[in-house]
Amino acid sequence: NAGVMQNPRHLVRRRGQEARLRCSPMKGHSHVYWYRQLPEEGLKFMVYLQKENIIDESGMPKERFSAEFPKEGPSILRIQQVVRGDSAAYFCASSPGPWGTEAFFGQGTRLTVV
Amino acid sequence: AQSVAQPEDQVKVAEGNPLTVKCTYSVSGNPYLFWYVQYPNRGLQFLLKYITGDNLVKGSYGFEAEFNKSQTSFHLKKPSALVSDSALYFCAVRDKGNAGNMLTFGGGTRLMVKP
Repeated sequence: NAGVMQNPRHLVRRRGQEARLRCSPMKGHSHVYWYRQLPEEGLKFMVYLQKENIIDESGMPKERFSAEFPKEGPSILRIQQVVRGDSAAYFCASSPGPWGTEAFFGQGTRLTVV
Repeated sequence: AQSVAQPEDQVKVAEGNPLTVKCTYSVSGNPYLFWYVQYPNRGLQFLLKYITGDNLVKGSYGFEAEFNKSQTSFHLKKPSALVSDSALYFCAVRDKGNAGNMLTFGGGTRLMVKP
């Protein structure tokens, strides 16, 4: 059973471009969470999704950021018109149910905006 | 609102000595508590969790943590540190009554174990 798969591992974008980060949860997991980690900082919650539904997006910036978890395929975190401040590590986690069970994290996508 | 505090940015111990990484939390109801470890350029790895029951929780790699409700703490401990334990450690909490189900993480504590 493969773990949570995130790709790409590293992504470089120029200011103004779009970044798409993908997350394939563990098999059988229907809950996906996205977190952002700035250098030398902790993880900040961004969004919680179940299949085809956004459950909580209270941590998402109001503009340029969006997330989806379609019925088929991976969850996508999309950042439009990237700026230097978007440079961070973005982690995805999945769980089979609510957080009472531990969540499993992917290895992250490191986004660098130049 | 729920929150987690890890008061120490860095903890240094000598190999073979006991280690403690501190964590305090705040939730409106009853907590689920977690510890994760992050090695350089890697994702987070689950160490242990407290859901209910025994206040002393044993986890991976010889780590354990004690849930103290009166002090709202969940300190991570290990009797004898290894150099390979050097990493970034995160405490996390979720309110059992939180319908949003997201974890709130502390800022992390960097553990350095010297040979």
